Amino acid sequence: EPEVTQTPSHQVTQMGQEVILRCVPISNHLYFYWYRQILGQKVEFLVSFYNNEISEKSEIFDDQFSVERPDGSNFTLKIRSTKLEDSAMYFCASSRAGVDYGYTFGSGTRLTVV
Amino acid sequence: DAKTTQPNSMESNEEEPVHLPCNHSTISGTDYIHWYRQLPSQGPEYVIHGLTSNVNNRMASLAIAEDRKSSTLILHRATLRDAAVYYCGDQINFGNEKLTFGTGTRLTIIP
Repeated sequence: EPEVTQTPSHQVTQMGQEVILRCVPISNHLYFYWYRQILGQKVEFLVSFYNNEISEKSEIFDDQFSVERPDGSNFTLKIRSTKLEDSAMYFCASSRAGVDYGYTFGSGTRLTVV
Repeated sequence: DAKTTQPNSMESNEEEPVHLPCNHSTISGTDYIHWYRQLPSQGPEYVIHGLTSNVNNRMASLAIAEDRKSSTLILHRATLRDAAVYYCGDQINFGNEKLTFGTGTRLTIIP
């Protein structure tokens, strides 16, 4: 069964550093998403991406965050200057066009900011 | 933002049906209702979704209230592998833009 692949599985970074989280969505999917989950809390929407642009973003997704699909296969989330409160699991997801399909999530990247 | 609420936890005996409730207090007429489950150290896994009619698939059934303010995920015969956190959510029905999850229900299966 096709999978969404995320790398790295775990990243530790110092506060103020930039991090890039990488995702390879399922190849025939057209919509891409990032979610985050702070330890012990629910899964929160960050951003959706379609046709090479952001289609929706949450209040969490401020100017420190950006997304990119640089080469037609990878989908990245960049945090420019990490804060302690950015420590969380970050999940990438993708879906086909239309509302007849669910989302497929990756296994996540655990980001620890120290 | 969409507001969906769920009980924090539920328990069920193995091989018995499980009914997991969700309240969709701010759902609009065109939003889809989704259910996902999350096992420890994994990403959410799609279970089922629907708009107005009840839905069935190989994993579960989804019952949607007539006013759409509530839904129920039905696991017909729970197994130990069904122990997980179950999230309901509302998806805006314009271009798959945003799926917002509820607070999640931790389901424990008793052998």
